[in-house]
Amino acid sequence: NAGVTQTPKFQVLKTGQSMTLQCAQDMNHNSMYWYRQDPGMGLRLIYYSASEGTTDKGEVPNGYNVSRLNKREFSLRLESAAPSQTSVYFCASSEGLKREGGNEQFFGPGTRLTVL
Amino acid sequence: EDQVTQSPEALRLQEGESSSLNCSYTVSGLRGLFWYRQDPGKGPEFLFTLYSAGEEKEKERLKATLTKKESFLHITAPKPEDSATYLCAVRSYNTDKLIFGTGTRLQVFP
Repeated sequence: NAGVTQTPKFQVLKTGQSMTLQCAQDMNHNSMYWYRQDPGMGLRLIYYSASEGTTDKGEVPNGYNVSRLNKREFSLRLESAAPSQTSVYFCASSEGLKREGGNEQFFGPGTRLTVL
Repeated sequence: EDQVTQSPEALRLQEGESSSLNCSYTVSGLRGLFWYRQDPGKGPEFLFTLYSAGEEKEKERLKATLTKKESFLHITAPKPEDSATYLCAVRSYNTDKLIFGTGTRLQVFP
């Protein structure tokens, strides 16, 4: 099993350009997440999807959109990139809300995005 | 508001020098406390989940413990390959979102 995969690994954009970050998981997980990680800020949740067909805003959703394409895939779109969106983006997945259990999240390798 | 604070921000150890990392948390009903390891340029790697005060879990040189206010990650006789950033996160009831701390960067020197 590949776990969580993300493409691309690196990307450089100019201000105003758009792009989509792709994420896929092969663990049959219900929930998927997008985070950004900045120095000194830790991991911050952008959007998440508790199940196929649903999406919700996280802590820092402005400037982003998401699509839960199917159970496996969850994409993150930057419509008009800004320098403030320079960051490392991680996708994660988990089994989702359960009556018991901790709902561990498993992360992909990340996409390093620079906006000039 | 749910909150996680990790200390110290950075820790330098000599190989074999045991120490502990701290994760203090405030959460409305703890559903789980998670420890992750993150190597440079990679995604976080899951280590442990702790559910209730008094619980302990071990993996090789790592041991995680939990009280009602904080968790410790004890590192016994560390090796250079233990060098990484260690992240702590909490989950409260009725949500599957995690709140992360900013991490402790551990460096172990031979």
